[in-house]
Amino acid sequence: QSALTQPASVSGSPGQSITISCTGTSSDVGNNRVSWYQQYPGRVPKVMIYDDSKRPSGVSDRFSASKSGNTASLTISGLRADDEAGYYCCSYAGSSTYVFGNGTKVTVL
Amino acid sequence: EVQLVQSGAEVKKPGESLKISCKGSGYFFPSYWIAWVRQMPGKGLEWMGIIYPGDSDATYSPSFQGQVTISVDRSINTAYLQWSSLKASDSAMYYCARQNGDFLFWEFWGQGTLVTVSS
Repeated sequence: QSALTQPASVSGSPGQSITISCTGTSSDVGNNRVSWYQQYPGRVPKVMIYDDSKRPSGVSDRFSASKSGNTASLTISGLRADDEAGYYCCSYAGSSTYVFGNGTKVTVL
Repeated sequence: EVQLVQSGAEVKKPGESLKISCKGSGYFFPSYWIAWVRQMPGKGLEWMGIIYPGDSDATYSPSFQGQVTISVDRSINTAYLQWSSLKASDSAMYYCARQNGDFLFWEFWGQGTLVTVSS
């Protein structure tokens, strides 16, 4: 059960949009639901997206997500300084197991 | 208010045993899956395993099977993660997380327990 593949880093200027990819297999991402988590250094992860594309109450609509085949994507629109954090995808992988992505550090230039 | 409160930081020597805890409150503890997640220093999140407190059914990531034991004490609404013989490579932050009732995601997280293993 390998970690889902994410780019190590993505950067953008304030106001721009960035997209983070999360690639797995048909055993996880391709046939199961994906969630996304934001984590600031030294802080607890926070869910930003669940069920592939749903936003929990209180999460900004600047965060959106989609999935196609074995790849899920998280888009942050109108990039802000406080979006600078680590982002992790997570997929159910069957038989009561889950797998996280290896994480993406977002830098706001 | 749903809360997961984890036990405090631990400093141990290689070969020692350890059991850390995660106490749930503000909800019906038996009905929600609890996961344990490892984060090594400067690294990403790793899903270790999961337990359903209602029947103590535990499942492990292949990477952690045989390395740790996940258990629960329903009488005190507490989940545990334990090691029988720690290694230096077990040094990490460990989080517990509770699954959402309707969807497959980790909605509530404990504050984390830092484990340091050093001779």
